[in-house]
Amino acid sequence: DGGITQSPKYLFRKEGQNVTLSCEQNLNHDAMYWYRQDPGQGLRLIYYSQIVNDFQKGDIAEGYSVSREKKESFPLTVTSAQKNPTAFYLCASSINPPNTEAFFGQGTRLTVV
Amino acid sequence: AQSVTQPDIHITVSEGASLELRCNYSYGATPYLFWYVQSPGQGLQLLLKYFSGDTLVQGIKGFEAEFKRSQSSFNLRKPSVHWSDAAEYFCVSGGSNYKLTFGKGTLLTVNP
Repeated sequence: DGGITQSPKYLFRKEGQNVTLSCEQNLNHDAMYWYRQDPGQGLRLIYYSQIVNDFQKGDIAEGYSVSREKKESFPLTVTSAQKNPTAFYLCASSINPPNTEAFFGQGTRLTVV
Repeated sequence: AQSVTQPDIHITVSEGASLELRCNYSYGATPYLFWYVQSPGQGLQLLLKYFSGDTLVQGIKGFEAEFKRSQSSFNLRKPSVHWSDAAEYFCVSGGSNYKLTFGKGTLLTVNP
């Protein structure tokens, strides 16, 4: 089945460590996105990529980094510079934004202790 | 700047009652509008979308939404709510770039 796979579903890390969240899609979509979700905040855009080897900062990119070496993959690294990394992270993809819908993965809940 | 407002943070309805979730958008041109639903700890699922044409759009699970340009609104409705509809609902707009703008969500509780 086509879709977006995020792994792992739950992730625990110690403060000060970098951590990478995986996002893979087999929908042949050009555009991919990373969102952060906190209670009562809705979804906030971290980074997005329109094509391979290209990506742009979203509204809250500080403390995060991404790469887009393959069309199918858009990993997100949460660095030690991110001051409040504990959150629910959602990856999405879209074939022809903005006039087509985005498809979402099941999310990764990151807890930093 | 583009914005989406969902005035109601939390709504409680009884099972079988009708439902309307409000959404207002701010955008110069006609936006692309979506409603998504999210169950706890899950990703978002698309309920319906509006790009152009008929202003009343039908979606999955018996939901519909009406685009009203004069009111800058895109309210979501369902005539009879089921307990399984309890979730968080997001109104989303897309504009001329690749960014989607999300409302802060409305949490729906369904009483038996």
